[in-house]
Amino acid sequence: RKEVEQDPGPFNVPEGATVAFNCTYSNSASQSFFWYRQDCRKEPKLLMSVYSSGNEDGRFTAQLNRASQYISLLIRDSKLSDSATYLCVVFSGGYNKLIFGAGTRLAVHP
Amino acid sequence: DTGVSQDPRHKITKRGQNVTFRCDPISEHNRLYWYRQTLGQGPEFLTYFQNEAQLEKSRLLSDRFSAERPKGSFSTLEIQRTEQGDSAMYLCASSPFAGSETQYFGPGTRLLVL
Repeated sequence: RKEVEQDPGPFNVPEGATVAFNCTYSNSASQSFFWYRQDCRKEPKLLMSVYSSGNEDGRFTAQLNRASQYISLLIRDSKLSDSATYLCVVFSGGYNKLIFGAGTRLAVHP
Repeated sequence: DTGVSQDPRHKITKRGQNVTFRCDPISEHNRLYWYRQTLGQGPEFLTYFQNEAQLEKSRLLSDRFSAERPKGSFSTLEIQRTEQGDSAMYLCASSPFAGSETQYFGPGTRLLVL
């Protein structure tokens, strides 16, 4: 079983739609969680951190459910520029290793 | 540009050849990481340096792979006797200090082994 699992998609949505991505992780001792965005053939870039209390940044909202070991990302009012792969990431303590899911592809169309 | 830089950006080689990639982290970042990303997958951890010390290596890093960070600044990743399965994007990231969870990624080196 992979340490971080995501639905690979793709999610094809029209502009203005709301879309939600989910992720599960296997290590209950994990402390920190993130969503990264990766554009085609580019490096991953930090989108936002995920906290138990929830985290909102503009149109993006991230949630963490520790009991279920479940992380979510909600994107409201999708833009064409949101088209990318969204990577769910768990921070492994000790040596600060990031453990990535395989990513969920989002395609926003006009 | 003061971000993480990697060189070369692309490399095409024949099976059996050796290749070496370079990573220059953000200045004064003492932690440096190498990851590998294959098509359709997320990046996978390969190895990690704190200053010049290599502190952790993934089992993905076979004997053909070696990484160095001789002066605690730039790092090199060498692959000997390349195989077609080594074709991937090799990403370098740096982090400023112990306990920092944020890693800053370079643009990657895309390797194609023919």
